[in-house]
Amino acid sequence: DAKTTQPPSMDCAEGRAANLPCNHSTISGNEYVYWYRQIHSQGPQYIIHGLKNNETNEMASLIITEDRKSSTLILPHATLRDTAVYYCIVRVGQGGSEKLVFGKGMKLTVNP
Amino acid sequence: DAGITQSPRHKVTETGTPVTLRCHQTENHRYMYWYRQDPGHGLRLIHYSYGVKDTDKGEVSDGYSVSRSKTEDFLLTLESATSSQTSVYFCAIHGTSGSSSYEQYFGPGTRLTVT
Repeated sequence: DAKTTQPPSMDCAEGRAANLPCNHSTISGNEYVYWYRQIHSQGPQYIIHGLKNNETNEMASLIITEDRKSSTLILPHATLRDTAVYYCIVRVGQGGSEKLVFGKGMKLTVNP
Repeated sequence: DAGITQSPRHKVTETGTPVTLRCHQTENHRYMYWYRQDPGHGLRLIHYSYGVKDTDKGEVSDGYSVSRSKTEDFLLTLESATSSQTSVYFCAIHGTSGSSSYEQYFGPGTRLTVT
């Protein structure tokens, strides 16, 4: 599976949009981009995933560049509860034996 | 929330003793995973299971064994606990249909301290 690069940390003001970047320059054509987050001491939580098209759900939006070498997770109106470590992961397929490889992630701090 | 529990939630044990952690699910999902998480690292896969009695190693499997005798339970055993196995252990599950086919659900974690 391709590796990802995320900045170690980012701050965001409450109520503003949080744009979390991820580079995955070696991504293959059949690899999906996944985002999970981990709020302090809890198990990771799935946020969203995509292949090439932009995706949106009730939690976030995922924007993938046309060359698929990078993506951005957007939390449209960040709240204090969005403070967490966010993991960007790429892997083959969207089912089957899903062995996720977690890097160190990026710590997002939402400030009041 | 997905029906996944872990027991115990906290455990302190001595070096050299065997320890078994239990992951229990009520979702009837096929796939189950054990991860460990240490400061400065993301989650690292220890072992996983793709069905009853079907298991395979992850990236940090040395010193650990697993068993899955029924769909709902996935056991992680530290055969002889060492201080380097002090960690937080997470279990995860995912299924093969609908949203469960791409979303891994994680348990609350077990904090293990080996003294």
